Amino acid sequence: GDSVTQMEGPVTLSEEAFLTINCTYTATGYPSLFWYVQYPGEGLQLLLKATKADDKGSNKGFEATYRKETTSFHLEKGSVQVSDSAVYFCALSDRGGNQFYFGTGTSLTVIP
Amino acid sequence: DTGVSQDPRHKITKRGQNVTFRCDPISEHNRLYWYRQTLGQGPEFLTYFQNEAQLEKSRLLSDRFSAERPKGSFSTLEIQRTEQGDSAMYLCASSPSRGESNQPQHFGDGTRLSIL
Repeated sequence: GDSVTQMEGPVTLSEEAFLTINCTYTATGYPSLFWYVQYPGEGLQLLLKATKADDKGSNKGFEATYRKETTSFHLEKGSVQVSDSAVYFCALSDRGGNQFYFGTGTSLTVIP
Repeated sequence: DTGVSQDPRHKITKRGQNVTFRCDPISEHNRLYWYRQTLGQGPEFLTYFQNEAQLEKSRLLSDRFSAERPKGSFSTLEIQRTEQGDSAMYLCASSPSRGESNQPQHFGDGTRLSIL
């Protein structure tokens, strides 16, 4: 069945460091891919999405490119801030949006 | 847009009791999802409604679990004869269904269930 495998954490970075969180997926058909973020004490929020191969989702300085050949959707940010400290979830949905599958989450802590 | 609302925020109950949670989606969203999330894990899909029709159910949803969305607006998730393993955060999410691209889900803050 469909699934998402996400880089395990926790990840600790210094402010202004480069961030990569790896995500790979297994799916039949052509899923849509998402990154969600959960800040401390808050609910899950959509960070970015991509709906077809080679699409690049971007938001708040974060980017991820839908790579069909490597079945990946890695999250990147060039310069992290303390306010980026959160748990990041990679997710996919089937074409009809009937089911969503989430990774286990990667906790990021950015230190000044 | 008032967001997805879940009630209660916390529920503590004894093993064997029944519990019911409520979710109010964003008003124009016709899709509603329930998830379960345990510590250190991502949300696990439980069930999905399109308007009042329950279209998908995960194998995680044992016969002790039932969900309804009677008028296509709010939804309830009931767990009967609760067990220790039911302790988790129960998340509700909603989304519109328009266009060909999948719409992202908007999540509520969840109901945390603790079984004593």
